Amino acid sequence: GGIITQTPKFLIGQEGQKLTLKCQQNFNHDTMYWYRQDSGKGLRLIYYSITENDLQKGDLSEGYDASREKKSSFSLTVTSAQKNEMAVFLCASSMGEEQYFGPGTRLTVL
Amino acid sequence: GDSVTQTEGLVTLTKGLPVMLNCTYQTTYSPFLFWYVQHLNEAPKLLLKSSTDNKRTEHQGFYATLHKSSSSFHLQKSSVQLSDSALYFCALRSSSGSWQLIFGSGTQLTVMP
Repeated sequence: GGIITQTPKFLIGQEGQKLTLKCQQNFNHDTMYWYRQDSGKGLRLIYYSITENDLQKGDLSEGYDASREKKSSFSLTVTSAQKNEMAVFLCASSMGEEQYFGPGTRLTVL
Repeated sequence: GDSVTQTEGLVTLTKGLPVMLNCTYQTTYSPFLFWYVQHLNEAPKLLLKSSTDNKRTEHQGFYATLHKSSSSFHLQKSSVQLSDSALYFCALRSSSGSWQLIFGSGTQLTVMP
């Protein structure tokens, strides 16, 4: 088995701040994903990466940057946090059809 | 484009009753559907995935049948338990050719004693 670790678990930021979320997986999976989860809106894909140094935009990429410097890690940056924004950011990885998710980072912007 | 629709945002049932959570989809590709379950403060986990047309797949007492004729993959269970209270997402493999998933908005199932 493997595990996905996301840090931090809780992130509180200020409006306009640049914030970075990190994700590590030890499944040795090729593909990694970042999703945003808002209440009542399901999971929306921000970025994904099919291999080290690859980046593919999802439907929600505007306002975010991502980085895949190693196979095991995938970072997401909120380029300018929006006031009163609240969401959970989920990282996932896959080798084929099944995606395995991390526990999430809960973002609150004051 | 690809899309997934879950019509119920919230379903509340008494323990022991049957449940059906609706999922319909649109795609130009051969459909491949999934149900994910997310318990409170936990990560989403795969519950079950579709097989061939009109074939039922089962896992942990839940079952679903892919019906291409009606573009549906409804999740069912004959007798819900308190531990089934969770958020359920239907997801469709994207027709883009990658392993992207398109998720529905989710259905919150609450089982009462």
